[in-house]
Amino acid sequence: GAGVSQTPSNKVTEKGKYVELRCDPISGHTALYWYRQSLGQGPEFLIYFQGTGAADDSGLPNDRFFAVRPEGSVSTLKIQRTERGDSAVYLCASSRTVNGDGYTFGSGTRLTVV
Amino acid sequence: QKEVEQDPGPLSVPEGAIVSLNCTYSNSAFQYFMWYRQYSRKGPELLMYTYSSGNKEDGRFTAQVDKSSKYISLFIRDSQPSDSATYLCAMSKMDSNYQLIWGAGTKLIIKP
Repeated sequence: GAGVSQTPSNKVTEKGKYVELRCDPISGHTALYWYRQSLGQGPEFLIYFQGTGAADDSGLPNDRFFAVRPEGSVSTLKIQRTERGDSAVYLCASSRTVNGDGYTFGSGTRLTVV
Repeated sequence: QKEVEQDPGPLSVPEGAIVSLNCTYSNSAFQYFMWYRQYSRKGPELLMYTYSSGNKEDGRFTAQVDKSSKYISLFIRDSQPSDSATYLCAMSKMDSNYQLIWGAGTKLIIKP
């Protein structure tokens, strides 16, 4: 597609529930990144995929968070047993090369845990 | 202390003014420096990308990096109301240049 698409744009869930956030990157972009942005803060790195594999998942805060990219295109970020502290905007970006200057971000999924 | 510090603002200036936005950082390993613009409920958009120290100009935007002082700046000339947004600095290390470390962002308001 023309840009990075993230769905849903907004998600409200109850504490303890499971959620999935989807990212559809720009066609041909092999690198994909997930960041989390809390209110009034800059984004925080979560995970980076090169193709189908997670090349660096050091930013995932705990084992409730997991991400996949099974066919090297669409990625899903999965959060189990959600907590109120998980409320944030989850941003996805993709790039053709593994380089900080090639990022294109989606508009994010605004997750609210009540 | 955060690795990257940025004044959250808001910074309010009249249309046509020169805007100066800044970040300081603590880790000397940072080699790549970026400025992003973020409109409300949108993802960040890359404005400027600089490697190591020096200046870079692109239209009304100028980015400066002073590695000796661990200080980076973004200047916007002839500011327009459409420049009103949050401006975030980001930086990365040579061995992990895919992983961006961000400032908190400065909210900029350009008054017509």
